[in-house]
Amino acid sequence: QKEVEQDPGPLSVPEGAIVSLNCTYSNSAFQYFMWYRQYSRKGPELLMYTYSSGNKEDGRFTAQVDKSSKYISLFIRDSQPSDSATYLCAMSANSNYQLIWGAGTKLIIKP
Amino acid sequence: NAGVTQTPKFQVLKTGQSMTLQCAQDMNHEYMSWYRQDPGMGLRLIHYSVGAGITDQGEVPNGYNVSRSTTEDFPLRLLSAAPSQTSVYFCASSYLDKRETQYFGPGTRLLVL
Repeated sequence: QKEVEQDPGPLSVPEGAIVSLNCTYSNSAFQYFMWYRQYSRKGPELLMYTYSSGNKEDGRFTAQVDKSSKYISLFIRDSQPSDSATYLCAMSANSNYQLIWGAGTKLIIKP
Repeated sequence: NAGVTQTPKFQVLKTGQSMTLQCAQDMNHEYMSWYRQDPGMGLRLIHYSVGAGITDQGEVPNGYNVSRSTTEDFPLRLLSAAPSQTSVYFCASSYLDKRETQYFGPGTRLLVL
């Protein structure tokens, strides 16, 4: 079993929909939870990160961490075609530890 | 700032050939790393460095060598290319104690025939 599980998709939704992307993990030591966005044929870029539990909001994006269930989510409100990309979750136990990556979920927003 | 740069963008090799993928960053980051990305497998760490003169193996180091003679540069060498090394390679960098914020290069697409 992988330390971090992420459904590869693709996930296809109409423009304007609320999108929910998720990852589960097995290592209870993880404290840093990141979401990276990767456009086609580009390198990943950090979208948001959360330390420990709780929610974090940035514009249309909300990151949520549930440590009791070992489950993290990224919500995108009012989704736009420009949000079409692969979203990778990553986690680590400490800010100077290696990141453990999910496989990435390909998201397609249909106009 | 150019950020993280990688060359070449695309390369075709024959089995057994060797080559070096170049990576450079201008952000004075101590930490640099190389990943490969294959469909359905996410990013897998090949080698990493926490400073000039210090390198270590990641999850999939076999068939690859690295060196770090300066803070800016972190080349990845394929010693004898194999078809299993066909992949997209990304270089990334960050501050040593802020690895949650990694900056990635644009990637090198490698095809080994």
